[in-house]
Amino acid sequence: DIVMTQSPDSLAVSLGERATINCKSSQSVLYSSNNKNYLAWYQQKPGQPPKLLIYWASTRESGVPDRFSGSGSGTDFTLTISSLQAEDVTVYYCQQYYTTPLTFGGGTKVEIK
Amino acid sequence: QITLKESGPTLVKPTQTLTLTCTFSGFSLSTSGVGVGWIRQPPGKALEWLALIFWDDDKRYSPSLKSRLTITKDTSKNQVVLTMTNMDPVDTATYYCAHSTMTTGLAYWGQGTLVTVSS
Repeated sequence: DIVMTQSPDSLAVSLGERATINCKSSQSVLYSSNNKNYLAWYQQKPGQPPKLLIYWASTRESGVPDRFSGSGSGTDFTLTISSLQAEDVTVYYCQQYYTTPLTFGGGTKVEIK
Repeated sequence: QITLKESGPTLVKPTQTLTLTCTFSGFSLSTSGVGVGWIRQPPGKALEWLALIFWDDDKRYSPSLKSRLTITKDTSKNQVVLTMTNMDPVDTATYYCAHSTMTTGLAYWGQGTLVTVSS
């Protein structure tokens, strides 16, 4: 299984400041034939299902604000919220879909400092 | 517009079998590349993938739960059914179904259904 490790477990950021969440996979999720990283980021608010933010490591899903961006390749990935808004305070998960079993990171809780 | 909705019992007893149904609209599970997966989330904990069925009836399972899980589809009814045998209190969780492709991963999710395992 590919193990997904997120860090930190939680972080506190001031409104308007940058938030950075890291995700590391135990093996590469880069598919060489198309040069795509099979890595997604989700946002989950209390009592709601996860919402897809980013797929292929850096492609923003339709309707997602451009303050959310994804980067990285191979085994190391980052989700950045460029200017934290109050509505961004929640939990974020990374997930690899390179192979089954699909695996998720343990989640990162973003709070306001 | 793609929607998914989970249905099934909210309470099951230990050792019983859980049967959950995902009813979807807005896509066909006979379309190449499309799948429907099940994911669960114990209260206050992280997401755990359980199973996935593809348009061609290829089925994949979580290795740790494979012996207890069965996933099937009824394309004509736009439904996917997950059964989990020998339920235990540690299986208490919100169970989600989600639309899956190799492009976007799990782009669309149902609202989830909370299943409690208790005698």
